[in-house]
Amino acid sequence: QKEVEQDPGPLSVPEGAIVSLNCTYSNSAFQYFMWYRQYSRKGPELLMYTYSSGNKEDGRFTAQVDKSSKYISLFIRDSQPSDSATYLCAMSGLGGSQGNLIFGKGTKLSVKP
Amino acid sequence: GAGVSQSPRYKVAKRGQDVALRCDPISGHVSLFWYQQALGQGPEFLTYFQNEAQLDKSGLPSDRFFAERPEGSVSTLKIQRTQQEDSAVYLCASSPPTSPLHFGNGTRLTVT
Repeated sequence: QKEVEQDPGPLSVPEGAIVSLNCTYSNSAFQYFMWYRQYSRKGPELLMYTYSSGNKEDGRFTAQVDKSSKYISLFIRDSQPSDSATYLCAMSGLGGSQGNLIFGKGTKLSVKP
Repeated sequence: GAGVSQSPRYKVAKRGQDVALRCDPISGHVSLFWYQQALGQGPEFLTYFQNEAQLDKSGLPSDRFFAERPEGSVSTLKIQRTQQEDSAVYLCASSPPTSPLHFGNGTRLTVT
């Protein structure tokens, strides 16, 4: 079993839909949780960065962390075709760049006009 | 530019050749990471520098892989005697201390 599990999809939704992306993990030492967006042939781009449990909102994006269940989510409201990309969850046990990140496989999202 | 710059963007090597991949981090960023991303997978950690010191190289898959950052800025990842299983995208990331990583667009290596 990998430390971080993420359904690779693909996930296809109509424009305007609410998208829910999820990861589960097994290592209780993880404290920092991130979501990255990766367009084709580009590097990962940081979307959300949270510490420990709770919710964080930024525009159309909401990140949730439930450490008791070892489960993290990213919600995208009013999805747009420009949101079509691969979404990677990542986590570490140490703050920021001080620990190496463990990534999920990524979920490929397609938002249809 | 303001971002992490990697070169070349694409590299084709014949099996057995040596390759060198370059990373120019964001100016002033202390931390530098190398990751390997196979097709359809998430990035996997290779090695980490803080300034010129290589603090963690536990992710390097074999002794054919070598990374350096001699002056604490530009870094080079070298792969000797390339094998087909080395084909992947090699991502470089940098950050200030205790901040999330900023990734470059990677070097896509194809070993034929």
